[in-house]
Amino acid sequence: EDQVTQSPEALRLQEGESSSLNCSYTVSGLRGLFWYRQDPGKGPEFLFTLYSAGEEKEKERLKATLTKKESFLHITAPKPEDSATYLCAVQAGNYGQNFVFGPGTRLSVLP
Amino acid sequence: DAGVIQSPRHEVTEMGQEVTLRCKPISGHNSLFWYRQTMMRGLELLIYFNNNVPIDDSGMPEDRFSAKMPNASFSTLKIQPSEPRDSAVYFCASSFGRPFGEGSWLTVV
Repeated sequence: EDQVTQSPEALRLQEGESSSLNCSYTVSGLRGLFWYRQDPGKGPEFLFTLYSAGEEKEKERLKATLTKKESFLHITAPKPEDSATYLCAVQAGNYGQNFVFGPGTRLSVLP
Repeated sequence: DAGVIQSPRHEVTEMGQEVTLRCKPISGHNSLFWYRQTMMRGLELLIYFNNNVPIDDSGMPEDRFSAKMPNASFSTLKIQPSEPRDSAVYFCASSFGRPFGEGSWLTVV
């Protein structure tokens, strides 16, 4: 069974304090790994897609990396507006037919 | 581009009533996904369509749930009869979460 876990469950950072969020996955036939940001009362907002081990993507203060078993979302010098829940998800299966989300990491960045 | 449009945004209904949630995907996107999000279970994929055809409905929790996509610009998710444990936020998305609608917040009392 395809599974996705995320750690930590919640993270508090001071503004400017860099850190990383982890997404670990156990799937058959990874087709893609996706990162999203979700603000309270809103739908998830797409951030990145990673397709193969070694791939990296960057957007402003965020950088996503992928290995064969996990992905990291690195946040450099975060600001209070980066506070949100960060979700990762995988698309897997022989035909890419399986879609599984992780439980998310709630990030709070304090001024 | 108006994005994915969902309605209603909020609904409160009594147990046993029929609930119909609606989604208008982004024009030109040939996939549509329905998700449910709760505190306990997180975000779950219920069903997805490709070119208006249901591809995988294994995430639909039980027979009380049904989804249709009669054309490329409209989809419905129906719950009949509704139960309190169906209370959740229901999201619709074009392609695999790119992007999501704002969600329909359902409360069954």
